[in-house]
Amino acid sequence: AQSVSQHNHHVILSEAASLELGCNYSYGGTVNLFWYVQYPGQHLQLLLKYFSGDPLVKGIKGFEAEFIKSKFSFNLRKPSVQWSDTAEYFCAVTSSASKIIFGSGTRLSIRP
Amino acid sequence: GAGVSQSPSNKVTEKGKDVELRCDPISGHTALYWYRQSLGQGLEFLIYFQGNSAPDKSGLPSDRFSAERTGGSVSTLTIQRTQQEDSAVYLCASSPAISVSYNEQFFGPGTRLTVL
Repeated sequence: AQSVSQHNHHVILSEAASLELGCNYSYGGTVNLFWYVQYPGQHLQLLLKYFSGDPLVKGIKGFEAEFIKSKFSFNLRKPSVQWSDTAEYFCAVTSSASKIIFGSGTRLSIRP
Repeated sequence: GAGVSQSPSNKVTEKGKDVELRCDPISGHTALYWYRQSLGQGLEFLIYFQGNSAPDKSGLPSDRFSAERTGGSVSTLTIQRTQQEDSAVYLCASSPAISVSYNEQFFGPGTRLTVL
């Protein structure tokens, strides 16, 4: 069965620090990968997605993620975080016209 | 320019009562999803609709949970004989196309259900 693992439950960083949030999935076939973000008091929204092509995907607000097929990973990165990046981040995977499987989320807290 | 809306935003109920949660997707979106978000548990898939039919009900946790969608639009999630473990935020999302895996899901604000 498909599953998504986000190993970091809560990450605390200072402003301007670099960020990398881990995401690993288990599925042997072709996958589509997503990162969603939920800012405090707001709806979940799409940050970036990978379907095919360049494995380095750029998203909104300076975020990027790299799909490494051999490692079944899709880690989220940002070179320099801001206080406004405080949010909960969810990795998700889907393999076909079916449901999306979400990870358990990583709460990111940025110290001003 | 409405997004996905859900009602009520908050619902407090007593154990054993039935509740209905409503989702209005973005107009024209054919796919509609229900998720449950519990503290520290991420998003748990419940059910998805393609038009009015539900090809995948595998996530419904028990037969107390049911959902329907009429007219390819509004959906209702019903929980019968609520239990305390049903307390969570119930999220609805919609997406525009038939090939659901290729499309972004647009989420509503959720309904926070508290079962006393």
